[in-house]
Amino acid sequence: EAGVAQSPRYKIIEKRQSVAFWCNPISGHATLYWYQQILGQGPKLLIQFQNNGVVDDSQLPKDRFSAERLKGVDSTLKIQPAKLEDSAVYLCASSLDGVYDYEQYFGPGTRLTVT
Amino acid sequence: AQSVTQPDIHITVSEGASLELRCNYSYGATPYLFWYVQSPGQGLQLLLKYFSGDTLVQGIKGFEAEFKRSQSSFNLRKPSVHWSDAAEYFCAVGSSGGYQKVTFGTGTKLQVIP
Repeated sequence: EAGVAQSPRYKIIEKRQSVAFWCNPISGHATLYWYQQILGQGPKLLIQFQNNGVVDDSQLPKDRFSAERLKGVDSTLKIQPAKLEDSAVYLCASSLDGVYDYEQYFGPGTRLTVT
Repeated sequence: AQSVTQPDIHITVSEGASLELRCNYSYGATPYLFWYVQSPGQGLQLLLKYFSGDTLVQGIKGFEAEFKRSQSSFNLRKPSVHWSDAAEYFCAVGSSGGYQKVTFGTGTKLQVIP
């Protein structure tokens, strides 16, 4: 079984530029999560999708961050414009469903450096 | 609001020694509890989880954890640490009912010395 795929693995941009991250969850997984992990901290949930609908985006900075999950499969997370404090690892995870199956499978992450 | 505290930022143990990583949670109802491990440059991997039933939970790689409701704790243990266990360990609490929201602790970095 293929795992959660993410790209790119690394990205360096200057502040005020835009960036996009891509995630392909495990086949058949209805729930997809995006987390932000700042160095020295645990992952923080940014947004949770159930199929292509948003379940929770309460911690997503909506003035600069956006995410979509078209057709309930792949997802893209965008930052526009980026700030220095956005430097972090962005993790994507998926689970079979977000209610009865609680195990989340994580991708390797995208390390973003904003200079 | 749910929260997790991992009081030890960094722990060093000798190879072959026993290990205990501490985790305290705050949640209003019966929590769902998890331990994840993250190796450098890797995503998180689930070690074990507690939903209900037996309070002593066995996981992968020889790890176990014990849920103690009276102490709001879910400490991770391993009787004999291997050099390959060096990594960062995250405790997490999940909400019960409805779509689950998982809150992670700040992590404990484990160093294993020969």
